[in-house]
Amino acid sequence: QVQLVESGGGVVQPGRSLRLSCAASGIPFSTYGMHWVRQAPGRGLEWVAVIWNDGGNKYYADSVKGRFTISRDNANNTLYLQMNSLRAEDSAVYYCASTSLGGPGEYWGQGALVTVSS
Amino acid sequence: DVVMTQSPPILPVTLGQPASISCRSSQSLVYSDGNTYLSWFQQRPGQSPRRLLYKVSIRDSGVPDRFSGSGSGTDFTLKISRVEAEDLGVYYCMQGTHWPPYTFGQGTKLEIK
Repeated sequence: QVQLVESGGGVVQPGRSLRLSCAASGIPFSTYGMHWVRQAPGRGLEWVAVIWNDGGNKYYADSVKGRFTISRDNANNTLYLQMNSLRAEDSAVYYCASTSLGGPGEYWGQGALVTVSS
Repeated sequence: DVVMTQSPPILPVTLGQPASISCRSSQSLVYSDGNTYLSWFQQRPGQSPRRLLYKVSIRDSGVPDRFSGSGSGTDFTLKISRVEAEDLGVYYCMQGTHWPPYTFGQGTKLEIK
């Protein structure tokens, strides 16, 4: 069955960096575009970034542009989110999700909690 | 950015009764290819979001047929014909027409009356 498993979350100080991973199985990963979507504690969903299946195109939310980088390794079926210059407002559960026509689609991971605090 | 506005924010429901959630967008969601990229997601307590419907009214695999979507342009509705206990949680609409960014509504919490 399809599995997307995020890892790399944790507690980090403001201004520091963290890298999230999303390991995919059960899907032809290299044919899927992939998203990161986040959810601050007790809040709604916020789209963060998307990467095309071949890594050729990447788009970001204004709130993370210039600080976060989405990338992928199709040989190892893994999606990444490099998060630099972290701020308290970046604290959230980060979900990876496959893309479909019109955005995040039918496959989502269980989420990775990132807490930015001194 | 396209703003998605859901109502009501909280929807008290009686099990076995119908429920309806409204979603309005600040711009028409009709794309140049003629499709309308409006999706609905369900998030049960403690779980990841799950897509229920895409392109307004197409149900994802495994989604019960008591869930239906309708609407056009800027006004959309998610209907549950008879609410079951497993339907409780938060529902989000999302537009994928004018991106980036993809934008979600603020959510509607379905709870027992």
